[in-house]
Amino acid sequence: EVQLVQSGAEVKKPGDSLKISCKGSGYSFTNYWIAWVRQMPGKGLEWMGIFYPGDSDTIYSPSFQGQVTISADKSISTAYLQLINLAASDTAMYYCARRPPYAYVWGNYTPSYYFDYWGQGTLVTVSS
Amino acid sequence: EIVLTQSPGTLSLSPGERATLSCRASQSVSSNSLAWYQQKHGQAPRLLIYGASTRATGIPDRFSGSGSGTDFTLTISRLEPEDFAVYYCQHYGSSRWTFGQGTKVEIK
Repeated sequence: EVQLVQSGAEVKKPGDSLKISCKGSGYSFTNYWIAWVRQMPGKGLEWMGIFYPGDSDTIYSPSFQGQVTISADKSISTAYLQLINLAASDTAMYYCARRPPYAYVWGNYTPSYYFDYWGQGTLVTVSS
Repeated sequence: EIVLTQSPGTLSLSPGERATLSCRASQSVSSNSLAWYQQKHGQAPRLLIYGASTRATGIPDRFSGSGSGTDFTLTISRLEPEDFAVYYCQHYGSSRWTFGQGTKVEIK
């Protein structure tokens, strides 16, 4: 069974840094991209960036470039999202999600552009 | 940057009714790059549809996706009690993923 299990809720103070983890199991971790998605309270989904554990290729959303760092430790099948210089506006639920290498559409294999499995989310609260 | 606009913002329907959700892109996009997700309160999103019209594994056939170009639709043929949730469309293009703002399907 494919699972993405994220680290637990965090309460931080403004200016703190934080590293959230996402452990994959039930599949070949290095063959699937891992994305991070933010959801602020009562709001929609925002793509933050994506990381390929196979070769550490990373793409950041321009909205989050320089504000976050995505990484992974292949040896323990775990991806990370690091947030620095936290502010109250970083209070949100953060999800990791897996992007498969291919999609099977209309009888053909094509590159996939969706996220098929999601972690349970990590709630980050930033408050003084 | 492509913007996805979902409508309506909220859809009030009764169980058994048909739900039609719209996702409009600010410019033409490839159908391969369009997906739909369901998010129930307090839960992570769940993939419903990818490639605009292919149901993900385990998704009931009352969910269907259609459309091309700039206009895409998610249809729920007969609403079940567990279908009341928020639905998001998502697009990939130019090494970026974007989500629509969501449509809430609520019980009338």
